[in-house]
Amino acid sequence: SAVISQKPSRDICQRGTSLTIQCQVDSQVTMMFWYRQQPGQSLTLIATANQGSEATYESGFVIDKFPISRPNLTFSTLTVSNMSPEDSSIYLCSARVGTGEETQYFGPGTRLLVL
Amino acid sequence: KQEVTQIPAALSVPEGENLVLNCSFTDSAIYNLQWFRQDPGKGLTSLLLIQSSQREQTSGRLNASLDKSSGRSTLYIAASQPGDSATYLCAVRRTSGTYKYIFGTGTRLKVLA
Repeated sequence: SAVISQKPSRDICQRGTSLTIQCQVDSQVTMMFWYRQQPGQSLTLIATANQGSEATYESGFVIDKFPISRPNLTFSTLTVSNMSPEDSSIYLCSARVGTGEETQYFGPGTRLLVL
Repeated sequence: KQEVTQIPAALSVPEGENLVLNCSFTDSAIYNLQWFRQDPGKGLTSLLLIQSSQREQTSGRLNASLDKSSGRSTLYIAASQPGDSATYLCAVRRTSGTYKYIFGTGTRLKVLA
């Protein structure tokens, strides 16, 4: 199993600024994921972050807008750049533990409001 | 393109009632399906995972079934309790080569004491 924490838990930001969200896992994990949950919507995968390589982005998401770092096997960051009100969402970090583990573990989420 | 739908969107039941949450998906070529519970400020917790070759999984008062050919899964909650109040999400993983899950929009459950 894995316990995932995120910082900050919530924030209110001004349009045009950037916010970096941190994700910490209490054990080494093979794969980490970043999801977005817009108000009233389902979770949408932004990108997969693998240690030692560039993140893989899903259709509709680009590195300039959502740069991701994965410096080691327990930590990742997601930056939401040049924010607009449409970026107001909950951002969730997720991790897959081991190669045989199918269950995905999720952090508590970061609730972002952009004014 | 895989789409996942959950019905109903919201449900309110008295304590002790047995209930069924529904999940349907458009592409039956799935690797597995997971049911999650989402509590405000606490992220998602995996409840049950069903592999494509399985028909059902059980954990305590929860039972999830999978009918891949018809693109449906149900989550059965027996003897519901106020602590079961949460949003329930189902998610499907397409193939063994990707770890991407497609999520439904969820069913918001409220169990009244």
